[in-house]
Parts: sequence; structure tokens; C-alpha cells
Amino acid sequence: NAGVTQTPKFRVLKTGQSMTLLCAQDMNHEYMYWYRQDPGMGLRLIHYSVGEGTTAKGEVPDGYNVSRLKKQNFLLGLESAAPSQTSVYFCASRDQTGMNQPQHFGDGTRLSIL
Amino acid sequence: QKEVEQDPGPLSVPEGAIVSLNCTYSNSAFQYFMWYRQYSRKGPELLMYTYSSGNKEDGRFTAQVDKSSKYISLFIRDSQPSDSATYLCAMTQGGSYIPTFGRGTSLIVHP
Repeated sequence: NAGVTQTPKFRVLKTGQSMTLLCAQDMNHEYMYWYRQDPGMGLRLIHYSVGEGTTAKGEVPDGYNVSRLKKQNFLLGLESAAPSQTSVYFCASRDQTGMNQPQHFGDGTRLSIL
Repeated sequence: QKEVEQDPGPLSVPEGAIVSLNCTYSNSAFQYFMWYRQYSRKGPELLMYTYSSGNKEDGRFTAQVDKSSKYISLFIRDSQPSDSATYLCAMTQGGSYIPTFGRGTSLIVHP
């Protein structure tokens, strides 16, 4: 059981380039999330989805887009990368049933933008 | 002021010590409280989960919630070098599926 898988694990981009980060989960979870984690800032929510075909903005959505075409996948896109988007990106998923369901996290994508 | 405050540390302790990690919060609507452990270059993993006030114990770990003081704690007994990690507290309001995270406390347990 793989859980939450993020690809790629590492990437270096030049300013202005675009890329897509992929998150895949095999737990049949409805809810999925994208976070960024920066030193001293903790986890900040970028976008989230409560089901296939739905997305919503989190705390820091500017400069990012997302899509949830399939229930198991949640894609995070950077259309024109900026150095301020250098960060570690984490995807998480959560079962929709009940209040006491924890989030399950992937191991992150480390992104550097030069 | 952030909704959830957590001292970033680092907290350095000798092996075998009792460790106390804490978070304070300002939103009295929070009802569900979680502790995640994050090893270097890994994603957070759920360690403890509690609802409302009280204590919950799991092996060497005890989670404590004091809603009247808006204060939660994680105690680690007989700490081991393998406990060295960043510990994140998180909490949610009833009906919410978006947790609010603390910034994390870095713990170092040295042999």
C-alpha cells in the first residue's frame, strides 16, 4: 500500500519556467490538499479539493493552479515559476467520513527556482 | 498573532529524558487536536489524536488537552535518539476538514 505518492521528489527550475507536481493516493480518499513548507513558516495550505472535479483556494494560492480530474490524483501547477516559490511541497489526503480522520502526507517535492 | 503558537526550538535533551512539547491557541472553537511527527526529508505522520479536553496515552507518548487554558501538550517518556524529529501540532473546528498547524518544534535527543 503506497499511500500518498508525490512526483518528482526534486526539481530545479529557472525563473519563468512552468511545471506540474503530481500527487497520487491509493486510499480512495475524497479530500486532497497541497501545502508548502518553508523554514520558520510551518505548513501553509495552497489549494485543496473535496472531491473529483472540485478545487478551492487555501491560504497562499497566488501563482499556483490545481486540477482534480481523477479522484486519486491532485495536480499542482506553476505557470511561471518565481524564486519565492522555492519550497518543499507536500500533498495530503483524508477520508471524508467522520470528524476524526487524520491527513496522510506524501514525502514531499523539493523545488528550487533559480 | 497566529491562531496556533508553537516554539520552534530546537529542544535538545539527553536520552531517557521526559520531553514536553506544547502549543497554545486562540480559537476556542477548536475541538480536535493532533500531533504529527516529521523526520528530516519526510512528510508529517500522525502520532496522536485527541478530541476535546483530557489525556490520551499511547506507549511512551501522552497527549494532553486543556481547553480552558487553550493549551495542548505532548509528553514523551524515556526519549530515544529515534525520537529526534520535528513535532507539529494541528487542530480543527468541528465540521472542518482543514486543520490549522503550528510551525513545529525541532527535538534532538542525544545519546
